[in-house]
Amino acid sequence: AQKITQTQPGMFVQEKEAVTLDCTYDTSDPSYGLFWYKQPSSGEMIFLIYQGSYDQQNATEGRYSLNFQKARKSANLVISASQLGDSAMYFCAMRHPSGYSTLTFGKGTMLLVSP
Amino acid sequence: EPEVTQTPSHQVTQMGQEVILRCVPISNHLYFYWYRQILGQKVEFLVSFYNNEISEKSEIFDDQFSVERPDGSNFTLKIRSTKLEDSAMYFCASSEGGGGQETQYFGPGTRLLVL
Repeated sequence: AQKITQTQPGMFVQEKEAVTLDCTYDTSDPSYGLFWYKQPSSGEMIFLIYQGSYDQQNATEGRYSLNFQKARKSANLVISASQLGDSAMYFCAMRHPSGYSTLTFGKGTMLLVSP
Repeated sequence: EPEVTQTPSHQVTQMGQEVILRCVPISNHLYFYWYRQILGQKVEFLVSFYNNEISEKSEIFDDQFSVERPDGSNFTLKIRSTKLEDSAMYFCASSEGGGGQETQYFGPGTRLLVL
């Protein structure tokens, strides 16, 4: 069975600093995708970044980057230069090619950015 | 930029009543999903839909639930006889393909409250 673990229920960071949100996963499939979503207090789920299991380089999207360590089965999200608007819940998710590729989510990390 | 839309944004209903949640996926996407998030908990997969039929469903998706694509644009989730524990945020998502590397884009959600 596929499993996603986010061990940090909450994180605090000061504006303009970088922060790392942890995510580890467990799967026996060689092919999978790892995703991070942001959920602000308004409730919507916003796609941030994707990493494929065969990708050679770590994914980057603007201020978001993914520290992908395949051997350790970790896919940590790094947010550089935090902004107040980054305060939200962040979910790590994995998609695997069994069936029609549903997403399995972690429990999430609440990030609070202070001025 | 194309996006997934959902209506209504909020729904309050009495226990035992039927509710229909509506979604319009991104127009060129072929795979559709419903997820739910009970308040304070992680996002859980309900069902995936492709080529006018259910391709995968979770144990949550019992006989009280059904999905339909009544026309070329809408994708609906019906709960036949709501229970208190159905209170949750329901997210619709869509993706262009069904592979493990495909990104699922989420709608803003429908917050369902069963009294």
